Amino acid sequence: DQQVKQNSPSLSVQEGRISILNCDYTNSMFDYFLWYKKYPAEGPTFLISISSIKDKNEDGRFTVFLNKSAKHLSLHIVPSQPGDSAVYFCAARTNTGNQFYFGTGTSLTVIP
Amino acid sequence: DVKVTQSSRYLVKRTGEKVFLECVQDMDHENMFWYRQDPGLGLRLIYFSYDVKMKEKGDIPEGYSVSREKKERFSLILESASTNQTSMYLCASSQEVYDNSPLHFGNGTRLTVT
Repeated sequence: DQQVKQNSPSLSVQEGRISILNCDYTNSMFDYFLWYKKYPAEGPTFLISISSIKDKNEDGRFTVFLNKSAKHLSLHIVPSQPGDSAVYFCAARTNTGNQFYFGTGTSLTVIP
Repeated sequence: DVKVTQSSRYLVKRTGEKVFLECVQDMDHENMFWYRQDPGLGLRLIYFSYDVKMKEKGDIPEGYSVSREKKERFSLILESASTNQTSMYLCASSQEVYDNSPLHFGNGTRLTVT
């Protein structure tokens, strides 16, 4: 049973525009959420996180939004750059467990 | 900077072989994990360990075992490799839950079983 879902397998965006990647979750006990970026043949690298006490967190061009009532989070990348082309995974964890749950990923292509 | 090192980037093994994947982290993290990544399935947890000699099954432990004899080292063992274990294997580590710190991943091992 997939507790973290990324329903869009792929997304294409023009360079300079906004990229919005979405993620839904089912477990109301999740309280820490993360986004990772992965290039082919490399391990995922941590991008940005948010805890459930917040609804927004920014780091440079990356902003994560959390809507707890809808059990939804999104990653905004503004402006998008060709180097952002990668697979993006969202992940979540409860405050009592060590296990991180991952979505299936969204492949972002930024077109120059 | 956290460094998680996986011993091999690419491995090719034959069906039935015993396979060892090694992982070392240098940040004194309590928790270590093994995931596999397959297209369309995302990252699936095989096993994790929250302390030396402690281990817990993840979502897909069948056909695998693990060993954590030292805090910095976590090994994944394929007892008898099969073709459906061809995959990208990712090791990761993290601090305690209360630290709200992320997982740090190694660069992965692409295993092909023929």
